[in-house]
Amino acid sequence: AQSVSQHNHHVILSEAASLELGCNYSYGGTVNLFWYVQYPGQHLQLLLKYFSGDPLVKGIKGFEAEFIKSKFSFNLRKPSVQWSDTAEYFCAVNAKGNNRLAFGKGNQVVVIP
Amino acid sequence: KAGVTQTPRYLIKTRGQQVTLSCSPISGHRSVSWYQQTPGQGLQFLFEYFSETQRNKGNFPGRFSGRQFSNSRSEMNVSTLELGDSALYLCASSLGFLADTGELFFGEGSRLTVL
Repeated sequence: AQSVSQHNHHVILSEAASLELGCNYSYGGTVNLFWYVQYPGQHLQLLLKYFSGDPLVKGIKGFEAEFIKSKFSFNLRKPSVQWSDTAEYFCAVNAKGNNRLAFGKGNQVVVIP
Repeated sequence: KAGVTQTPRYLIKTRGQQVTLSCSPISGHRSVSWYQQTPGQGLQFLFEYFSETQRNKGNFPGRFSGRQFSNSRSEMNVSTLELGDSALYLCASSLGFLADTGELFFGEGSRLTVL
């Protein structure tokens, strides 16, 4: 079964600071990788995904993530955060061939204006 | 187009009771998955249905069950409720396999409180 680790559950930073959230997964086979975001009071939304090809993927709202296969990692980055990026961010892994997502515990990010 | 709709949004039950939650997927989506979200365990997969058949199941006791109807709407049921069942239950829909469609679309969830 897949497992996903996200560290630094609570992150507090000021506007314009850079953000990097780590995600490591455990699974020996081919995977699809996702970052989902949950803004306060809203449903989970897809931020970006990696299926194959260029390991550096760009998502919505200026976010990007890099897949490093040798490190089983899929870290999320944003060069300059805004107050509106305050949200909980979830990394998720899907083994190819099914629709089951294994989620990390999430990173609660608070951006101070 | 309308998103994933879950009802009821909030409900309170007492231990020992049972509860049924409903999910209407995005029109045309045939796969419906259910997840439990708690502060301690995070998001955990319950089960997935596709064309009325359970295609995948997570590690939850038999008290948790689900079904899908011919119109792709899905229900999940929890019997003999325990305090630990208090959670946000999320439904997600997809056209088919993630490898082909690329995304699960989530509803806003049903928040269950067990007293």
